[in-house]
Amino acid sequence: KAGVTQTPRYLIKTRGQQVTLSCSPISGHRSVSWYQQTPGQGLQFLFEYFSETQRNKGNFPGRFSGRQFSNSRSEMNVSTLELGDSALYLCASSHETDHSPLHFGNGTRLTVT
Amino acid sequence: AQKITQTQPGMFVQEKEAVTLDCTYDTSDQSYGLFWYKQPSSGEMIFLIYQGSYDEQNATEGRYSLNFQKARKSANLVISASQLGDSAMYFCAMREGRGNEKLTFGTGTRLTIIP
Repeated sequence: KAGVTQTPRYLIKTRGQQVTLSCSPISGHRSVSWYQQTPGQGLQFLFEYFSETQRNKGNFPGRFSGRQFSNSRSEMNVSTLELGDSALYLCASSHETDHSPLHFGNGTRLTVT
Repeated sequence: AQKITQTQPGMFVQEKEAVTLDCTYDTSDQSYGLFWYKQPSSGEMIFLIYQGSYDEQNATEGRYSLNFQKARKSANLVISASQLGDSAMYFCAMREGRGNEKLTFGTGTRLTIIP
């Protein structure tokens, strides 16, 4: 079974631009969640989607948005990029049972210059 | 209060020795789950082990075991017979309640195995 796939792996953008990150979950997983990892703030939850609906949202500004498609694939968008958005963005999917872990992708490393 | 506390920023352990990574948590939910993940320098997050709040026995997965002490709200990871490949960041995380997949992570412990 293929794991969680995130594209692209690396991205360099300029302040003020926008970016879209993509995540394909493990087949059969309907929940997709996104996390931001920075040296200063650690791992922080961005949002979670389940069956195309945002089910949970972290404490991030509205510049961060996401969506999920009918095939469970998810995209995350960041508009008006700031230097502080430079981070590793991790996507995770899960099977949604009590003992099921979240399976993470390799992440997209975003650098904002 | 921090929901997940990992008090060991870094640890150095001799190869083949056992190591315990500490994790304490704080929640008012009766139903919760505790996870440990390993993050090598490549960045991927690798799931190691899971403990549910209603599980009476400590979880084990190969060389990994979770020392779950519910009354003390601790969920320490024990790695037996450490190997050089165990060198990585280790994160403890908690999922509270049901019907959501939001994890709250600790700050992590950087484990270095010395040959």
